[in-house]
Amino acid sequence: ELKVEQNPLFLSMQEGKNYTIYCNYSTTSDRLYWYRQDPGKSLESLFVLLSNGAVKQEGRLMASLDTKARLSTLHITAAVHDLSATYFCAVDPARRDDKIIFGKGTRLHILP
Amino acid sequence: DSGVTQTPKHLITATGQRVTLRCSPRSGDLSVYWYQQSLDQGLQFLIQYYNGEERAKGNILERFSAQQFPDLHSELNLSSLELGDSALYFCASSVVRGRGGYTFGSGTRLTVV
Repeated sequence: ELKVEQNPLFLSMQEGKNYTIYCNYSTTSDRLYWYRQDPGKSLESLFVLLSNGAVKQEGRLMASLDTKARLSTLHITAAVHDLSATYFCAVDPARRDDKIIFGKGTRLHILP
Repeated sequence: DSGVTQTPKHLITATGQRVTLRCSPRSGDLSVYWYQQSLDQGLQFLIQYYNGEERAKGNILERFSAQQFPDLHSELNLSSLELGDSALYFCASSVVRGRGGYTFGSGTRLTVV
């Protein structure tokens, strides 16, 4: 069964610092998604990574995918308080049941 | 607005009662997924429908059931409610069997008292 592991699960950091969230998965996949969730709110799609070596950037967030290492990273550059949220990665195992598998989420708290 | 509509947004009910949560998927999406998110918990997959048929089942209790109707909207029925069922319930939809990722609705916050 596909397993998706995120680390860290909780991260508290100062504004202006850089940090990386890691998403490891256990089986072959060429599609990976990152979502953001604000407390009590819905999940918002951030990035869709569709191939090995894919890199997407939006503002201070950059996501990459290494399918050979089964690893995706979400890098935060010069963090600002508004980026405080929970970030989920999700992997598409391309199985018949078509269900993508979510990690447990990384709760990011950025201190002003 | 994501295009996925969930109603109601909030629901408060007593233990032992039954409620129905409704989801209208984004136009053109054939798959609907239901998730439960308890306080400080991750997303727990409940069930998936594709074009009216059940496709996958997750950690869904026997007290819970769901269906997808011909117009593709879906309903999640929760019965004999317990305090522990209090959670955010999300519906998501996707085009072509989830290969493009999911679009989530705004959720229904269920409080069982």
